[in-house]
Amino acid sequence: DTEVTQTPKHLVMGMTNKKSLKCEQHMGHRAMYWYKQKAKKPPELMFVYSYEKLSINESVPSRFSPECPNSSLLNLHLHALQPEDSALYLCASSYERYYEQYFGPGTRLTVT
Amino acid sequence: AQRVTQPEKLLSVFKGAPVELKCNYSYSGSPELFWYVQYSRQRLQLLLRHISRESIKGFTADLNKGETSFHLKKPFAQEEDSAMYYCALSGGMYSGGGADGLTFGKGTHLIIQP
Repeated sequence: DTEVTQTPKHLVMGMTNKKSLKCEQHMGHRAMYWYKQKAKKPPELMFVYSYEKLSINESVPSRFSPECPNSSLLNLHLHALQPEDSALYLCASSYERYYEQYFGPGTRLTVT
Repeated sequence: AQRVTQPEKLLSVFKGAPVELKCNYSYSGSPELFWYVQYSRQRLQLLLRHISRESIKGFTADLNKGETSFHLKKPFAQEEDSAMYYCALSGGMYSGGGADGLTFGKGTHLIIQP
């Protein structure tokens, strides 16, 4: 398996809901990332995990909570989001930090 | 702070013409530089990494540290090259533990006209 997969593809949630995004890779990569991409904008880094430990948090609001249960899986827990959080959320992985990153197809999130 | 600048939001060229997508960067250490491509309704894909110095789909990019540039070139454009192209920078393993997520430029939308 040489791809990064993300579920769900689309998610609509209210501002009081709790939901989770899931990312998986089976390429043996030890670094995983979450990015946020607004329409017609480049991806913006949110979180970096290296060897299952959070190494960078780019000052993301606490309503976004990442989790890395094992080296193949990355979750993003969402709670009390705002409409401006609507975006495409991308997951990526790399062999280790600093290596080229491979991206998943993204989850299109709409907050109503 | 690191920064990636892609000055052209949109670039339109005719099929068979040469293509150059510009990318300039600002970084105090030794960065790793990449080009990513996003075709319509497809995921973001790695096109080139500067350290590998290989040609992918006819594209090449040379890192010019003096000019802090990493321009993407192709001698003869093809219609299937139409896509959004992003230049991206990573801190690099010799940067003393600096930021290692990717910093992207704003992207250049390349349109190849028949």
